[in-house]
Amino acid sequence: AQSVTQPDIHITVSEGASLELRCNYSYGATPYLFWYVQSPGQGLQLLLKYFSGDTLVQGIKGFEAEFKRSQSSFNLRKPSVHWSDAAEYFCAVKNTNAGKSTFGDGTTLTVKP
Amino acid sequence: DTGVSQDPRHKITKRGQNVTFRCDPISEHNRLYWYRQTLGQGPEFLTYFQNEAQLEKSRLLSDRFSAERPKGSFSTLEIQRTEQGDSAMYLCASSPRQGSMNTEAFFGQGTRLTVV
Repeated sequence: AQSVTQPDIHITVSEGASLELRCNYSYGATPYLFWYVQSPGQGLQLLLKYFSGDTLVQGIKGFEAEFKRSQSSFNLRKPSVHWSDAAEYFCAVKNTNAGKSTFGDGTTLTVKP
Repeated sequence: DTGVSQDPRHKITKRGQNVTFRCDPISEHNRLYWYRQTLGQGPEFLTYFQNEAQLEKSRLLSDRFSAERPKGSFSTLEIQRTEQGDSAMYLCASSPRQGSMNTEAFFGQGTRLTVV
C-alpha cells in the first residue's frame, strides 16, 4: 500500500529565509507525486506535480521540488519565503493505475516577520 | 468554469440526523473524488467515480455513508444517523480521464460538518 510521511509537523522560518519541507513516500513503482497548499478553512491548491522526466519540477508561487528515487523523497523548497506562504502543506502520492491519492498529515508553516 | 463547487460550505447538525452534501466538478472532468479531513490530518480517501460508476470505496465509508453520481456530472454524499465522529471537512475533487497528462485532482473548498 502506498503511504506518505511528512516528518515535520510544524516549521517556523523568518520572512526572506529559505524553506525546505520534507516528504517521503512508500510505493512500489514510479508514482505520481504532488504538493498541495491549504489555507485555514479552504480547499487544497496544487503547487506542483511530478509525473516523469526531469526530477526537479517548478511550481507556482516560486516553489520547486526534487524527486529522488533512491531516497523515496519529494522535498519542497523555496529560496525566499514570504509572509503569505504561511499555510499547511500536503504531500501526496498517486498510484498511476488508480484514481485516489494518499496524503501525508501535512506540515504547518509559520512565517516570522 | 470556476472550478469545483461544493454546497453547503458549512453544516451544523444534531447527532442522529441525516445530511447530504453536493459537489459540482469541473465540467470536462469525468473523475470525481470524495475525501474526509479531520483536524491535524491530511485528507483521507472515501470514494471515487468515473462518470457515473463508483469504482472504489474506502473502508472508512461505513454503511451510513452513501455517494452517488447519477448522471456522471454532480455528486452527492449522504451521511445517515450522524455521529460526533463524523465531524470533519468533506472535500470533493475532480480530474480528467486516465491517460491525460493532467491527472492531478482539483479540489473544492470543502463542506465543514459539525455534529452536535
